Amino acid sequence: DTGVSQDPRHKITKRGQNVTFRCDPISEHNRLYWYRQTLGQGPEFLTYFQNEAQLEKSRLLSDRFSAERPKGSFSTLEIQRTEQGDSAMYLCASSLGQDRAIFGSGTQLSVL
Amino acid sequence: GQQLNQSPQSMFIQEGEDVSMNCTSSSIFNTWLWYKQDPGEGPVLLIALYKAGELTSNGRLTAQFGITRKDSFLNISASIPSDVGIYFCAGLPNAGGTSYGKLTFGQGTILTVHP
Repeated sequence: DTGVSQDPRHKITKRGQNVTFRCDPISEHNRLYWYRQTLGQGPEFLTYFQNEAQLEKSRLLSDRFSAERPKGSFSTLEIQRTEQGDSAMYLCASSLGQDRAIFGSGTQLSVL
Repeated sequence: GQQLNQSPQSMFIQEGEDVSMNCTSSSIFNTWLWYKQDPGEGPVLLIALYKAGELTSNGRLTAQFGITRKDSFLNISASIPSDVGIYFCAGLPNAGGTSYGKLTFGQGTILTVHP
C-alpha cells in the first residue's frame, strides 16, 4: 500500500498517561502535516514538517504536545499527561512540495 | 482566525437526486479543496480548485471556485447510496510557501442518501 499509514488506529488511555502516535507518509513526499479532528468538526491544523524541519506549529499545540520527524521520513506525535479534552481523531497528511495533501486514516484517541 | 462556513449542515435525499452544498469565508482563499470523509477514516480529496471562477468536474461531482475567492460550491448529480458521508470544504490562503498544506476546514455537510 502506498498511502499514508498511521499507527495505532485506535488508542484508549487513562487521563495523565502519555501516548505516542506514528505516521508513515508516502515515501517520496517531503511535507508532513498533523491535524486534529473532534466529533462534528472539520480537521484543525496542528503542525507541519518539511523534511525533518518543523516549520509551523498551531496555537492548539500546547506544551504537552510534541512532534518529531527525525530523518525526514516517518513522524511521531506525543501527548504527555493526557486530558479528556485531548480525545479526538489525530490525522496525518503528506504532500510532495506544493501538491495536494493526502490524508491517512487517522488515530482515534479516547482519554478516560 | 480564518473560518469557513459550510452549509447545509446535513442533507437527506433520495437516490437519484442532485445535491448542492457551499462554503463561504470572510477572507480570501487562493485554493479551494473538497474532501469526503467516511466514518473512522481520513478525508479523501475529491476536487481541487486553483483559480477564481474555475469550474472543475470529477465524474458526477462538479465544484466551482467563486469569483470573489471567498466561496466555493460542490454539486453532486444523480446521487447514489455510496455518496453517503461527510463532505468538507477546505481552503488555503496562499498559493505556495510554508502555508501550503495548512488547510482551514469547514464544519462539514453530512449527506444521507435513501435508496
